[in-house]
Amino acid sequence: EIVMTQSPATLSVSPGERAALSCRASHNCNNNLAWYQQKVGQAPRLLIYGASTRATGIPARFSGSGSGTEFTLTISGLQSEDFAVYYCQQYNSWPQLTFGGGTKVEIK
Amino acid sequence: EVQLLESGGGLVQPGVSLRLSCAGSGFTFRGYAMSWVRQAPGKGLEWVSSITSGGDSTYYADSVKGRFTISRDNAKNTLYLQMNSLRAEDTALFYCAKELPVVGATVFDSWGQGTLVTVSS
Repeated sequence: EIVMTQSPATLSVSPGERAALSCRASHNCNNNLAWYQQKVGQAPRLLIYGASTRATGIPARFSGSGSGTEFTLTISGLQSEDFAVYYCQQYNSWPQLTFGGGTKVEIK
Repeated sequence: EVQLLESGGGLVQPGVSLRLSCAGSGFTFRGYAMSWVRQAPGKGLEWVSSITSGGDSTYYADSVKGRFTISRDNAKNTLYLQMNSLRAEDTALFYCAKELPVVGATVFDSWGQGTLVTVSS
């Protein structure tokens, strides 16, 4: 099983600032990595797949990078609606899919 | 607009069975692979099971293999999850999720609101 480790667990950021979230895989994932956003009481929303491809309707301030075992989700110019929990998910070892433990982005 | 509506959750005792359903609308249900993903209270996401668009192939997480069965009825636009021998650690919000139609990308572009399963004596 590929274990996904996200850091930090909590990130405190002021509105308008940039946030960088990390996701590390225990084994090579190539670029088979997705990012989701989950707000309190809501289902997850797909942001990024293929490590860097934005899903339909996702604003350009969300960007993904990385390959292999190290990945980053960057949110440029944080807006109030961006404060949420973010999860990474690998699908390189399909049919076994694994998620990271999440990073909570909170208002500083 | 894609809509996924889960049902069938509830409070059950350990060892019993439960069947979850997910009704899809707003898209060609039979054309997409579907999955179940769960989230224990206050915890992260865990993939549970997936099924191909035609229902001919199914996949399971090791934690549920042999106890859960995923199936679908494309004529009714409905996905199912039969859960047997339920354990306390199965307590979670169960989401139904539609897979993104990109070859090689098993990711989920639409999710339901979830149905809560609580296993407790």
